[in-house]
Amino acid sequence: DAKTTQPTSMDCAEGRAANLPCNHSTISGNEYVYWYRQIHSQGPQYIIHGLKNNETNEMASLIITEDRKSSTLILPHATLRDTAVYYCIQGGNKLVFGAGTILRVKS
Amino acid sequence: DAMVIQNPRYQVTQFGKPVTLSCSQTLNHNVMYWYQQKSSQAPKLLFHYYDKDFNNEADTPDNFQSRRPNTSFCFLDIRSPGLGDAAMYLCATSGGGSGGEQFFGPGTRLTVL
Repeated sequence: DAKTTQPTSMDCAEGRAANLPCNHSTISGNEYVYWYRQIHSQGPQYIIHGLKNNETNEMASLIITEDRKSSTLILPHATLRDTAVYYCIQGGNKLVFGAGTILRVKS
Repeated sequence: DAMVIQNPRYQVTQFGKPVTLSCSQTLNHNVMYWYQQKSSQAPKLLFHYYDKDFNNEADTPDNFQSRRPNTSFCFLDIRSPGLGDAAMYLCATSGGGSGGEQFFGPGTRLTVL
């Protein structure tokens, strides 16, 4: 079973930052936090991952709390093409997907 | 571009008729995964290969088998498809080791008549 909890859905205005929360209170010391997204009828796409430190790449930023029990994915300037299901996953080599958050970006 | 390729994108089979889905990769990755994604559900891992070592998930039905003849190719065989096996089947690869991202193919949508 998935070990993370996420809101079922969120809305975001186009051009604004989208902040997607995730709780992973059972995360162990060697488990990473991964974020993937899946646009309708496509394969999941990797966004970002982190262990302890905050991470940033060309797609997003990942903020991990100091106790590592929760994190936030930030899409700095959401566009309509960012509408997707966003999955937060704790783990290592194997990914156990939960239900994810449906992010709807609206104009 | 290096990528994960799945063929065909759409596959129709008959109830009980064996079907094979294929996946190839140009990333030279050690690990290849197969996931099943039913309508409105999250992807679920069926099994994975680390090089030639096969790792089956505990709840994967015996009806599902896999072959990896070389680094680049991996096949999913469904011996006797049932109506409940209709789903999107996703192949993914990774370089192995903790902390690596998985690269997913576009998936094969299987319909069972």
